[in-house]
Amino acid sequence: AQKITQTQPGMFVQEKEAVTLDCTYDTSDQSYGLFWYKQPSSGEMIFLIYQGSYDEQNATEGRYSLNFQKARKSANLVISASQLGDSAMYFCAMRDHQGAQKLVFGQGTRLTINP
Amino acid sequence: ETGVTQTPRHLVMGMTNKKSLKCEQHLGHNAMYWYKQSAKKPLELMFVYNFKEQTENNSVPSRFSPECPNSSHLFLHLHTLQPEDSALYLCASSQGASEGTDTQYFGPGTRLTVL
Repeated sequence: AQKITQTQPGMFVQEKEAVTLDCTYDTSDQSYGLFWYKQPSSGEMIFLIYQGSYDEQNATEGRYSLNFQKARKSANLVISASQLGDSAMYFCAMRDHQGAQKLVFGQGTRLTINP
Repeated sequence: ETGVTQTPRHLVMGMTNKKSLKCEQHLGHNAMYWYKQSAKKPLELMFVYNFKEQTENNSVPSRFSPECPNSSHLFLHLHTLQPEDSALYLCASSQGASEGTDTQYFGPGTRLTVL
């Protein structure tokens, strides 16, 4: 069974610093996709970035990048130059490529950006 | 309206009430999803619909009854709920492709309280 582990329940970072949110995963599938979502206090889950298991380069989207280490089964999210608006819950999720549409989510990390 | 919308945003109901949650997507997607997010638990997939057909029911109790009249609308009918059903209910949509790159986009959620 697939499993996502986020070991950091909470993180506190100074504004403008870079921050890394950890995510490790467990799967027996060779082909899978990894996602990161942001959930502000308003509740909406906002898609941030995607990484496919066969992608050779780390995904990047603006200030977000994904540090993908396949052998270690880790997919850490890096946010550069953090902003106050980055304060939110962050969820790592996985989907296998076997046709199922189920996303498996981790427990999430609450990120707080201090001014 | 753009993206995925959900109404109502907040709902308080008694255990004997019947209510419905509504989700609408304006993204031209073919798949729609209901998720439940309880405090201190990972997001749980409840139902998946592809082209109006239910393709996954994640062992959800029958007091939750989904309805998908077309690819743009999804309802969750609620009756005789329990206090432990209090949670944030999130709707999502995606293209519905079988590839792992299929990204789910979420609505703002309905925060449900069962008294």
